[in-house]
Amino acid sequence: GAGVSQSPSNKVTEKGKDVELRCDPISGHTALYWYRQRLGQGLEFLIYFQGNSAPDKSGLPSDRFSAERTGESVSTLTIQRTQQEDSAVYLCASSLVTGTGNYGYTFGSGTRLTVV
Amino acid sequence: ILNVEQSPQSLHVQEGDSTNFTCSFPSSNFYALHWYRWETAKSPEALFVMTLNGDEKKKGRISATLNTKEGYSYLYIKGSQPEDSATYLCARRSGGYNKLIFGAGTRLAVHP
Repeated sequence: GAGVSQSPSNKVTEKGKDVELRCDPISGHTALYWYRQRLGQGLEFLIYFQGNSAPDKSGLPSDRFSAERTGESVSTLTIQRTQQEDSAVYLCASSLVTGTGNYGYTFGSGTRLTVV
Repeated sequence: ILNVEQSPQSLHVQEGDSTNFTCSFPSSNFYALHWYRWETAKSPEALFVMTLNGDEKKKGRISATLNTKEGYSYLYIKGSQPEDSATYLCARRSGGYNKLIFGAGTRLAVHP
């Protein structure tokens, strides 16, 4: 597609349930990033994919969080046993990337996750 | 400065006013500085990617400057309009990847 697509746009889940968030990046963008914004806070880095591998997953807050990317395309972020502190807007972005290039991100519209 | 810091946190101006806000970042190991605009209920939109000390970029009524030696960037909006109301985010590229570390943003409200 022309932009970065995320689904679902909104998700309400009960504490303890697992959720899966999906991101479909711009075709040809080899780099894919997940961020989140909790209420009143800034954008927090979660994980970065280059192709299908994740050289930097330093932002994943706990082992309940995992992500994968297949076909150098779609990525899914999975949160197991959700907690209330997981409530946030989860944003996905993609970009071109080379070793020395600096490219702006194209963001999706986000998934608003509410854990009740 | 350990993180990317933005000031002010929020700003209210009248239509037609010119305004500016600041992004401060660690000056060591600098790669690039990005500015984004994030309107409510929309996706963040890239405004500028800046790499060179003394860089100045312009997009319509919005411009930005960069000082990599002292670690700051200014974003200027000339003749603010209500449609400029948004959160303006700056972000510093961290390390060899195109990974960005974001500031908390400046929330701008332009009143008619």
